[in-house]
Amino acid sequence: GQQVMQIPQYQHVQEGEDFTTYCNSSTTLSNIQWYKQRPGGHPVFLIQLVKSGEVKKQKRLTFQFGEAKKNSSLHITATQTTDVGTYFCADGGSSNTGKLIFGQGTTLQVKP
Amino acid sequence: SAVISQKPSRDICQRGTSLTIQCQVDSQVTMMFWYRQQPGQSLTLIATANQGSEATYESGFVIDKFPISRPNLTFSTLTVSNMSPEDSSIYLCSVGDRRGDFGPGTRLLVL
Repeated sequence: GQQVMQIPQYQHVQEGEDFTTYCNSSTTLSNIQWYKQRPGGHPVFLIQLVKSGEVKKQKRLTFQFGEAKKNSSLHITATQTTDVGTYFCADGGSSNTGKLIFGQGTTLQVKP
Repeated sequence: SAVISQKPSRDICQRGTSLTIQCQVDSQVTMMFWYRQQPGQSLTLIATANQGSEATYESGFVIDKFPISRPNLTFSTLTVSNMSPEDSSIYLCSVGDRRGDFGPGTRLLVL
């Protein structure tokens, strides 16, 4: 079935360093969504990317959707301890029903 | 975004018993979804809770093990039946078509 692969599984960075997580699909995605889950919390929606080559920014976070719509990335500039958590990409499907297929997630640890 | 509550927030259960988890949304929604998140893992969709008809289950999940009710457009329940330690997980409901809004989750430990 449809799978979304995400790497790396874990990342430890020093506060102030940058961080990137990558998401890849074997098939073309209609849209991709990104979520953040803090330790002990639930996933919180960050953004949806729909267009080929789309780039969106939220403060220190930059989200990209590949030209072929098969890959995506989330880049955090100058990490802070508040960035700690697990970042998931999710295939939002072609019909926008709300059904999500999640990647494995990247857990970010930030050392102060 | 929708505001979603779940009950219970956590529970410890004995194997062989069943637990019903409730999900309440502050607005009417067409689709509600139930996910499972096993310890240290990603989220896996269990089923789509359809109002007025049977739930639609994903591969690997069956109605006998995870019966779902959807009596109206703001409420759904998921029952985890005949539990075993392997059912220890976080169970989350979500709503939304263009973005997923998640409830706080129910943390289940089966002994």
